[in-house]
Amino acid sequence: DAGITQSPRYKITETGRQVTLMCHQTWSHSYMFWYRQDLGHGLRLIYYSAAADITDKGEVPDGYVVSRSKTENFPLTLESATRSQTSVYFCASSDFLAGVSYNEQFFGPGTRLTVL
Amino acid sequence: RKEVEQDPGPFNVPEGATVAFNCTYSNSASQSFFWYRQDCRKEPKLLMSVYSSGNEDGRFTAQLNRASQYISLLIRDSKLSDSATYLCVVNPEGSSNTGKLIFGQGTTLQVKP
Repeated sequence: DAGITQSPRYKITETGRQVTLMCHQTWSHSYMFWYRQDLGHGLRLIYYSAAADITDKGEVPDGYVVSRSKTENFPLTLESATRSQTSVYFCASSDFLAGVSYNEQFFGPGTRLTVL
Repeated sequence: RKEVEQDPGPFNVPEGATVAFNCTYSNSASQSFFWYRQDCRKEPKLLMSVYSSGNEDGRFTAQLNRASQYISLLIRDSKLSDSATYLCVVNPEGSSNTGKLIFGQGTTLQVKP
């Protein structure tokens, strides 16, 4: 199906384990983003990518690693999960249109991660 | 000061009421603006873009005031299905464009029968 998908949708893991959250989009959008959402904090940007092999830190990057070897995939890895990383993680994508500033983002359904 | 500020609410209104949300942004170079809707921790979805001249989509009207740096969303004839959190979203970029958007924390609307 076309669109943006995330997997897994739900994940329970233990402190110290490595976890990878997957994000896949079929629109060939240039930009991709990872956010986390916690009660009282709204959406916070973890990492973003402007194109394949180009990534940059967002507001809260510590403890996370990303890669983007292909335009359509943008995995997020928690290298050693901590309880404070329990959250809902959203992936999003948007397109680059030269000279156009309207760049609405389209979100995946989210991954609910619990770290015990 | 936060880059995008919204009153978190909740706004509790009866069906059929008109309700308005305001949002202020701090970066005067901001170029584009949106309202997103988010239901109960599901993914945010674009409700409408906000154009300089203001725009209307059915019962929803969005307006932009660049001089005062605020954006508004008006919902007329509220429905039970309008109950959600409304996110004010700003593209803070000037001439450059990283694709990043700044999301407000959201305003919660609860429409009661």
